[in-house]
Amino acid sequence: EVHLVESGGGLVKPGGSLRLSCVGSGFTLSDYSMAWVRQAPGKGLEWVSYISSSSTDMNYAGSVKGRFTISRDNAENSLYLQMKRLRVEDTAVYYCVRDEGFGEYWGKGTMVTVSS
Amino acid sequence: QSVLTQPPSVSGALGQRVTITCTGTSSNIGANFDAHWYQQLPGAAPKLLIYANKNRPSGVPDRFSGSKSGTSIFLDITGLQPGDEADYYCQSYDTDLSAWVFGGGTRLTVL
Repeated sequence: EVHLVESGGGLVKPGGSLRLSCVGSGFTLSDYSMAWVRQAPGKGLEWVSYISSSSTDMNYAGSVKGRFTISRDNAENSLYLQMKRLRVEDTAVYYCVRDEGFGEYWGKGTMVTVSS
Repeated sequence: QSVLTQPPSVSGALGQRVTITCTGTSSNIGANFDAHWYQQLPGAAPKLLIYANKNRPSGVPDRFSGSKSGTSIFLDITGLQPGDEADYYCQSYDTDLSAWVFGGGTRLTVL
C-alpha cells in the first residue's frame, strides 16, 4: 500500500527557514515525479512545486520561486522542500503528492505556521 | 483568484443529484489537458475522485461521474448521501504556467 508521510512543519518567524520532508513507502519513489501542494487555513489548494523522477526538471509557483527549493533522494525514498525567507502568507498545510499528472496519492500533510 | 473557476457552493437533497462545473481556459482544459476531481472531507487530505476527465479510481462509487466539454469539466454526484458533504476541487495542467492549476473549491451541502 502506498503511503506518503510528511514531517518538518512547525512555527517559524517571518524571514525564517524550514525544511519539509516526505518519506514514501509501498512504491519506488524513483519511478515517479513528485509535487508539493499547500492549503492555507480555510482556503483552497495551491500547487507549490514539482520535481521530475530523476531531478532533471523542477518548477515552482511564482509565489515561492527564489525562496523554496525542491529536492529528492531516491535512495532514501524521500522528497524535500527547503523553505527560506518565509512569509506570513506561506502559512498552510503542506502536502506531498505523487505526481502522475494528477494526485492519486497524498500524504496527510504537515502544518507550517509563519508568525511573529 | 484561481485559474480554474468553480461555484463556491452547491446543495442538493438527500438521494438527489448535483452537478459541479469547473471552467478553465485555452491554456489548460481547453488545450486538451486532462482534468481531475478531488474530494476533501473536513480535516482530511484531498482524495482523488475522478482522473482524466471521466475515470474513477478503484473504490470510488459509480455515483460519482465526470465529463468534459470544451473548456469545462463536470462532476455529477447522484444518490446524494450525508457522507458526500465535502469540498470538491478540480485540477488540470496549465501550459502557460507549466504547473498544476486548481479550482477554488466547491462546498457541497446535502439537505
